[in-house]
Amino acid sequence: KAGVTQTPRYLIKTRGQQVTLSCSPISGHRSVSWYQQTPGQGLQFLFEYFSETQRNKGNFPGRFSGRQFSNSRSEMNVSTLELGDSALYLCASSLEASLRTGELFFGEGSRLTVL
Amino acid sequence: QKEVEQDPGPLSVPEGAIVSLNCTYSNSAFQYFMWYRQYSRKGPELLMYTYSSGNKEDGRFTAQVDKSSKYISLFIRDSQPSDSATYLCAMRGSQGAQKLVFGQGTRLTINP
Repeated sequence: KAGVTQTPRYLIKTRGQQVTLSCSPISGHRSVSWYQQTPGQGLQFLFEYFSETQRNKGNFPGRFSGRQFSNSRSEMNVSTLELGDSALYLCASSLEASLRTGELFFGEGSRLTVL
Repeated sequence: QKEVEQDPGPLSVPEGAIVSLNCTYSNSAFQYFMWYRQYSRKGPELLMYTYSSGNKEDGRFTAQVDKSSKYISLFIRDSQPSDSATYLCAMRGSQGAQKLVFGQGTRLTINP
């Protein structure tokens, strides 16, 4: 069974540009969430999607947005990139039934560097 | 002050030692407590899950939650070099099932 797949794995952008990251959840998983991981702040929740609807949103500016498609695949977009957006962006999926256990299956992440 | 505090380490111990990892938290609404393990260049993977206060054991791993003290622990017995990783505590309330609040993570090295 394939795990959570994130693309691209690495990317370099310059300030002011925008970026789109993609996530394919484990087959059958309908819930997808995104986290930002930095050395200073650790893992921080960005947003969560279920059946194409955003269910929760973290405390990030409006430059961070996301969406989920009918096949559960998800994308997140960051516009007007700032140096502080350099981070590992992690996507996680879960079966609805496993949400009680908090079992999120994480991808390997997309490492974004903003110059 | 962060909602979840975790000593980032690094922590280095000899093989076979008992390892104790801890987190404190401030939000009394947290009810579900988890420990994730993250190897270098990989995403986190769930190790242990505990609901409310109590202990849970799984092989060499034991998770403890003390809600009265807002303190959670993970113990690793007979530690192995393959246990070398970053360990992240995570927790959430009853709402927002995927909205986990993570600790900073503790980088652990087990020396052969």
